[in-house]
Amino acid sequence: GQQLNQSPQSMFIQEGEDVSMNCTSSSIFNTWLWYKQDPGEGPVLLIALYKAGELTSNGRLTAQFGITRKDSFLNISASIPSDVGIYFCAGRPRERDMRFGAGTRLTVKP
Amino acid sequence: DGGITQSPKYLFRKEGQNVTLSCEQNLNHDAMYWYRQDPGQGLRLIYYSQIVNDFQKGDIAEGYSVSREKKESFPLTVTSAQKNPTAFYLCASSPTPGGRVTDYTFGSGTRLTVV
Repeated sequence: GQQLNQSPQSMFIQEGEDVSMNCTSSSIFNTWLWYKQDPGEGPVLLIALYKAGELTSNGRLTAQFGITRKDSFLNISASIPSDVGIYFCAGRPRERDMRFGAGTRLTVKP
Repeated sequence: DGGITQSPKYLFRKEGQNVTLSCEQNLNHDAMYWYRQDPGQGLRLIYYSQIVNDFQKGDIAEGYSVSREKKESFPLTVTSAQKNPTAFYLCASSPTPGGRVTDYTFGSGTRLTVV
């Protein structure tokens, strides 16, 4: 099936710094999603994107649906310690099918 | 409140034994899914069910079995045929198989360890 390449695999940043991560696909996706997962818990949806070029914000988080429909980006501004966790991208290339990236593990140093 | 409940949270199994992971939802969702999560890898689909008494294999179904006798329940059995069963297992549901992605809900997971 279609694979999602997510990068970076991990990030170690100082509190207050901005964070950027991205996800690319070999195929066109109709929907892009970004989730956050805390240790030992299930992923929680942060942002959903539906149109190429769409830019959507959720508080300090901003995500974009790439124009080619093969990539997406997530930015976190002014990071805080509770931002720690694993961030996953997910995409839906067609109905009834979701694909997930391997995740970006974010560590924020106070 | 509606949601998905996975149990147990932690499970230990001896090699050669079958074990069943529970997933229950009270969201009235038609579709349910089982994923496996390993470090450094994305979620991989094991099985999914679009309706009661029907289920389909996902990408890594070998060594697993499921049933969907009730709309609310979608248990996953990890059989002795699964060669590397130690992982974090996530259950999810959605109102319809191709429904709104924002309605796609995950459980809190079960961590299975083979000892």
